[in-house]
Amino acid sequence: DQQVKQNSPSLSVQEGRISILNCDYTNSMFDYFLWYKKYPAEGPTFLISISSIKDKNEDGRFTVFLNKSAKHLSLHIVPSQPGDSAVYFCAARGNAGNMLTFGGGTRLMVKP
Amino acid sequence: GAVVSQHPSWVICKSGTSVKIECRSLDFQATTMFWYRQFPKQSLMLMATSNEGSKATYEQGVEKDKFLINHASLTLSTLTVTSAHPEDSSFYICSAGPTGPYGYTFGSGTRLTVV
Repeated sequence: DQQVKQNSPSLSVQEGRISILNCDYTNSMFDYFLWYKKYPAEGPTFLISISSIKDKNEDGRFTVFLNKSAKHLSLHIVPSQPGDSAVYFCAARGNAGNMLTFGGGTRLMVKP
Repeated sequence: GAVVSQHPSWVICKSGTSVKIECRSLDFQATTMFWYRQFPKQSLMLMATSNEGSKATYEQGVEKDKFLINHASLTLSTLTVTSAHPEDSSFYICSAGPTGPYGYTFGSGTRLTVV
């Protein structure tokens, strides 16, 4: 049972345009959501997060939106840059500890 | 701050041998370390959670006798893949925490290839 899903395995976007990466979850006990960026053969690096009590968090070009009723979150990157090309994982944390549940990842390709 | 060093970054070993992977928190004390495994084109799968000074908690389907985890100090956890087989070839990643509001810092990962 996959509690965190990223239904799009890949996304291709033109440089300068908006990239929207989506993530759905099923466990209503998740209280904190994170986005990680991962390059091949490297560990994930933290990008941005959002608490379940908020519906939006912005950091520079990155904005995460949370729709609790729909159990859906999205990551917006504006404007997209070629250096943003990577695999993006969304992750969710339950309120019983620091364990994270990861989505399957979305490979973003930003074309110059 | 909050740097996690994972070593080695890649290793090739013969089938039947054991391989040890180290995960060190360099500038903080990690009471909890997590070990993940990533298969090609798949997500990160949590293998086990280790708390300093106690036995690791393994996820369902992970053989604790095959993947030995030791967390003997607040800055070091090791994962030993015993009697490795080709199907154990994968990318192993550790993370350590707590490290502030995000909870985690990941190591750079270890690519294990068993031949």
